[in-house]
Amino acid sequence: DAKTTQPNSMESNEEEPVHLPCNHSTISGTDYIHWYRQLPSQGPEYVIHGLTSNVNNRMASLAIAEDRKSSTLILHRATLRDAAVYYCIRTGNTGKLIFGQGTTLQVKP
Amino acid sequence: NAGVTQTPKFRVLKTGQSMTLLCAQDMNHEYMYWYRQDPGMGLRLIHYSVGEGTTAKGEVPDGYNVSRLKKQNFLLGLESAAPSQTSVYFCASTLGGELFFGEGSRLTVL
Repeated sequence: DAKTTQPNSMESNEEEPVHLPCNHSTISGTDYIHWYRQLPSQGPEYVIHGLTSNVNNRMASLAIAEDRKSSTLILHRATLRDAAVYYCIRTGNTGKLIFGQGTTLQVKP
Repeated sequence: NAGVTQTPKFRVLKTGQSMTLLCAQDMNHEYMYWYRQDPGMGLRLIHYSVGEGTTAKGEVPDGYNVSRLKKQNFLLGLESAAPSQTSVYFCASTLGGELFFGEGSRLTVL
């Protein structure tokens, strides 16, 4: 049930891509990697998740390293509305979901 | 389909009082969670449940009790509230994939 490791904060310019890294070096073979984000004064919302292959959805892309010890959330064109805290968590078969401190993303106009 | 509903949304308690937060989900999810979030901090897991009739401790379980008598409901109880329990409480549920969160319950203990 180890937490993942993320940078405390990152900055991006509007309409540029953003790559948010996450380390999960002790991940087991059955753990999924989930990303959530939390806008100010709101509850967390689901962004994307994956197991081994890279994943794409309307919000973002998830690139998972071949050894699965790290992953990167990619926002293709950051907008001001993407400014939030982004959490990377690993979900195993114990059901226990532990959030880390997350990465605070600032988007500059 | 209401998703995850938390009640109450706001509550002010005096030290030593008791209260129960209710989390209800209508998605037939097996897993349910209670988190707390203090200002400027991440979410910390209090207790969780992997199915009806089961509960387990999370990272910060002291001072809280939970029950999952019905699959759709997960109750979080404070027997004797303390100022340190002032926080925003989030409930979440999942079948095993995406976590669905409630809107949060803001609790202030004076």
